Amino acid sequence: TQLLEQSPQFLSIQEGENLTVYCNSSSVFSSLQWYRQEPGEGPVLLVTVVTGGEVKKLKRLTFQFGDARKDSSLHITAAQPGDTGLYLCAGVRPSGNTPLVFGKGTRLSVIA
Amino acid sequence: DAGITQSPRHKVTETGTPVTLRCHQTENHRYMYWYRQDPGHGLRLIHYSYGVKDTDKGEVSDGYSVSRSKTEDFLLTLESATSSQTSVYFCAINLGQGNTGELFFGEGSRLTVL
Repeated sequence: TQLLEQSPQFLSIQEGENLTVYCNSSSVFSSLQWYRQEPGEGPVLLVTVVTGGEVKKLKRLTFQFGDARKDSSLHITAAQPGDTGLYLCAGVRPSGNTPLVFGKGTRLSVIA
Repeated sequence: DAGITQSPRHKVTETGTPVTLRCHQTENHRYMYWYRQDPGHGLRLIHYSYGVKDTDKGEVSDGYSVSRSKTEDFLLTLESATSSQTSVYFCAINLGQGNTGELFFGEGSRLTVL
């Protein structure tokens, strides 16, 4: 059973459209991290959300942590081809010093 | 700034041969990780290290071993490579003090086992 479910798995949109991707769990996390991975490269950290209900903005990207700290969303406004990539969420479990739990990712393609 | 060098970046080998992938960090971060990434499976943790000679298994550790004799180097060894180990392997370091901080990844090593 995947602890963190990401949806959709794949998303192909036109430049200028808005989109939201989701990272859901039945478990509580201390914090959630979002990474973006471009083809042929390693994932790069975008943001960490820590507090339930927290909203963070990174230019056209808006990240939200659910009130119960079980889920998170990433909203992109006016998507650009440069946003193309694999978006991964990773959760910090509240119990013990254990490695991050990764979702399988959402692969986004923005077509010019 | 944190830096990671993975080597080799690309390798083609035959079933049954041993393979070692190297991860070198330029800082002194305590925690280092090896992941594999496959279509449909996402990132899966193979092994991680929390200090020199201190390692632990991840979710897909069978067929892999690791060693960390120096803080800066973390080696991943496939004693006898199999075709199911064809994958892209990523090394990462934890920028925080424990297991729960943010990760910085290397550029990956693409391994093909024929």
